[in-house]
Amino acid sequence: EPEVTQTPSHQVTQMGQEVILRCVPISNHLYFYWYRQILGQKVEFLVSFYNNEISEKSEIFDDQFSVERPDGSNFTLKIRSTKLEDSAMYFCASSVLAGGSSSYNEQFFGPGTRLTVL
Amino acid sequence: AQKITQTQPGMFVQEKEAVTLDCTYDTSDQSYGLFWYKQPSSGEMIFLIYQGSYDEQNATEGRYSLNFQKARKSANLVISASQLGDSAMYFCAVEWSGGGADGLTFGKGTHLIIQP
Repeated sequence: EPEVTQTPSHQVTQMGQEVILRCVPISNHLYFYWYRQILGQKVEFLVSFYNNEISEKSEIFDDQFSVERPDGSNFTLKIRSTKLEDSAMYFCASSVLAGGSSSYNEQFFGPGTRLTVL
Repeated sequence: AQKITQTQPGMFVQEKEAVTLDCTYDTSDQSYGLFWYKQPSSGEMIFLIYQGSYDEQNATEGRYSLNFQKARKSANLVISASQLGDSAMYFCAVEWSGGGADGLTFGKGTHLIIQP
């Protein structure tokens, strides 16, 4: 069964360093997402990506964040200068469609990357 | 702002009993999608069930069913014949139909513990 994969599973970095989190969405999906979950809290939407550009982004997704689809398979989230409060689990997800009104909107989540900023 | 409310932070249930996890949402949109995800202690997000706002029948997937009451804006998850492996966090989520890929808005979750 196809699945979303993410690398690395765990990344430790120093405050102020740049990190790149990588995701390989399911191959026939068109919409890609990043979410984060601070330990013990709910999952929060960061950004969605469609047709090689950002579709929507939340207030969390500020200038420190960027996303890219550098080739036909990878989807990356870059944090330019990490802060302590960026420590969280980051989930990538993908879906065939978007917009809420079809079962094809089901978002498949990857296993997550746990980012620890020291 | 559109909001999801899960009123049960934690629940203890005896094995084999049915469980109802509550979820209400606040929106003026007519078109949206409702999702439930399970997050075991290992951390991954596992999709359980989907209900479209225009679907007239309640969704079912194996032991999971969604009690959708549109007028009351509620989408409760029902797990029949609970098992020890059902112990996990359960998140209700909504995808609002704003025309773009708005992403999912999640509730705060319910921590379900199944006791033998």
